[in-house]
Amino acid sequence: GQNIDQPTEMTATEGAIVQINCTYQTSGFNGLFWYQQHAGEAPTFLSYNVLDGLEEKGRFSSFLSRSKGYSYLLLKELQMKDSASYLCAVRVSGGYQKVTFGTGTKLQVIP
Amino acid sequence: DADVTQTPRNRITKTGKRIMLECSQTKGHDRMYWYRQDPGLGLRLIYYSFDVKDINKGEISDGYSVSRQAQAKFSLSLESAIPNQTALYFCATSDWGTSKSDEQFFGPGTRLTVL
Repeated sequence: GQNIDQPTEMTATEGAIVQINCTYQTSGFNGLFWYQQHAGEAPTFLSYNVLDGLEEKGRFSSFLSRSKGYSYLLLKELQMKDSASYLCAVRVSGGYQKVTFGTGTKLQVIP
Repeated sequence: DADVTQTPRNRITKTGKRIMLECSQTKGHDRMYWYRQDPGLGLRLIYYSFDVKDINKGEISDGYSVSRQAQAKFSLSLESAIPNQTALYFCATSDWGTSKSDEQFFGPGTRLTVL
């Protein structure tokens, strides 16, 4: 099976930088996703890592270390609209390429 | 227009009733999924379909059934609804063939309440 851990809640200040961590335990790792979900809305895709290292996309970056079973999502220049839940999801290799979602980190951005 | 649509958006029903949730997509994706989301439990996969003739159970399929009527349509049924099926339900699609990551695109969700 898979086990994905991320903090339940975080608070950060507008304009600051915040790092949301995700650790996972799985066999057959084949990719890690980050999704953003505003309250009551659908998740939307943010980033994908399959190799070690940093992927940067505007204000958002995602890092992966496969040997450590660790990823983080870095949000820079925080804006109030970044208040949302951030879901870490892990895919494993195999016929279905199963994706398992973590329970999400609820980020509150305060003025 | 939204690429992935779900109907209804909200539904209140009673225990024992049959309910159908519908999902349509205009993205041309072969893969479609149904999830439910509960507070503190995250997204859990109910059923998935890789094409019209391929339907598979997810981790929590008991009490649910699905129908893939066409590439663009994937319906979820609750044959006899029970209160613990109260949740937010999401349909999603993905396209393994053209996307290196096969990220999923979610519909707006259906909030179902079973009394």
